[in-house]
Amino acid sequence: AQKVTQAQTEISVVEKEDVTLDCVYETRDTTYYLFWYKQPPSGELVFLIRRNSFDEQNEISGRYSWNFQKSTSSFNFTITASQVVDSAVYFCALKMTAGNKLTFGGGTRVLVKP
Amino acid sequence: DGGITQSPKYLFRKEGQNVTLSCEQNLNHDAMYWYRQDPGQGLRLIYYSQIVNDFQKGDIAEGYSVSREKKESFPLTVTSAQKNPTAFYLCASSSLGANVLTFGAGSRLTVL
Repeated sequence: AQKVTQAQTEISVVEKEDVTLDCVYETRDTTYYLFWYKQPPSGELVFLIRRNSFDEQNEISGRYSWNFQKSTSSFNFTITASQVVDSAVYFCALKMTAGNKLTFGGGTRVLVKP
Repeated sequence: DGGITQSPKYLFRKEGQNVTLSCEQNLNHDAMYWYRQDPGQGLRLIYYSQIVNDFQKGDIAEGYSVSREKKESFPLTVTSAQKNPTAFYLCASSSLGANVLTFGAGSRLTVL
């Protein structure tokens, strides 16, 4: 069975601080995909990134960066110089290569104060 | 613009009543999904469908039913058999084989 754990339920920072969200996953499969989604107060989940298990390169997109470490089964997400608009719930998710089922972590609520 | 439309956004019902949540997509996606979100528990899969007239149970299908008569539509019925129906329900879709889900804005159901 697959499992995704986001140990931080809520993080509060002041604007311009960096914030790192942890994600640890469990799977017996050797090939899989990892995702991060953002859920703003409007409720709709917005796709941020997908990483497949063969690609351990870190990625940076603007103020967002992701650190994938297969050895520790972690896929952490960092927001640099946070802004109030980053306030949302962030979900990490895992999907096997075969099939369409996505397993989500419990989410981390990020509150960025001005 | 293409996307997923869920309705209603808010719904209040009395215990024992069945309710149906609507989900329509114009993305030409083959696969559609229903997730339930409860505080602190992330999203849990209720049902999914990869093709018209076919669907599979997810992790928490008990007390729910779905239909897929059209590619664009995947309504979810929350039946009176669902013990704790108050939750936020999210519909999603994807192309077959694709891994990225597109989500609707959700429907919040409150059972009084």
